[in-house]
Amino acid sequence: AQSVAQPEDQVNVAEGNPLTVKCTYSVSGNPYLFWYVQYPNRGLQFLLKYITGDNLVKGSYGFEAEFNKSQTSFHLKKPSALVSDSALYFCAVRDGGNFNKFYFGSGTKLNVKP
Amino acid sequence: DAGVIQSPRHEVTEMGQEVTLRCKPISGHNSLFWYRQTMMRGLELLIYFNNNVPIDDSGMPEDRFSAKMPNASFSTLKIQPSEPRDSAVYFCASDLPGNTIYFGEGSWLTVV
Repeated sequence: AQSVAQPEDQVNVAEGNPLTVKCTYSVSGNPYLFWYVQYPNRGLQFLLKYITGDNLVKGSYGFEAEFNKSQTSFHLKKPSALVSDSALYFCAVRDGGNFNKFYFGSGTKLNVKP
Repeated sequence: DAGVIQSPRHEVTEMGQEVTLRCKPISGHNSLFWYRQTMMRGLELLIYFNNNVPIDDSGMPEDRFSAKMPNASFSTLKIQPSEPRDSAVYFCASDLPGNTIYFGEGSWLTVV
């Protein structure tokens, strides 16, 4: 069965430090992987995606994510966190066999402290 | 592009009343999704349409919930009668299959 796991409910990091938000997935075919961010009282905003090609994907606001096929992971990273990055982050996977199915993780709350 | 447009943004209604949420997808997108977000259950897919046809409504919680897509630029999610446990944020999203889903800003529903 297709699924996405975000093992951490919350990640705390100091401003200026690197951050990582973890995501692992399970799909039957080739994965289409996505990261979304949700700020308070807002909808989910697309950050970046991996379809094929380079395992390191760059996205909005300086975020990047690394696709690791052997570990079935797609961790979100940023070299230097900002207080304004504090938000809820969702990993998602699209079923390659059924593009209309989109599976979201449970979300990780990122807290960046000054 | 204006993005996915949802209305109303906020609604407070009394238990037993009918609630209608509206969505205008991004022009050219032929798939439309309705999601519900709560603290307890996170993000849940309620139903999705492809080319205006409901494909999977297995996430619709009960018969009180119904969704329609009469044309490519409009969809509604209706709750009748509403109950306090329906209080949540309801998101509409659209895309081209195989591509990126884009979300609206949500409809914040409170049933008292």
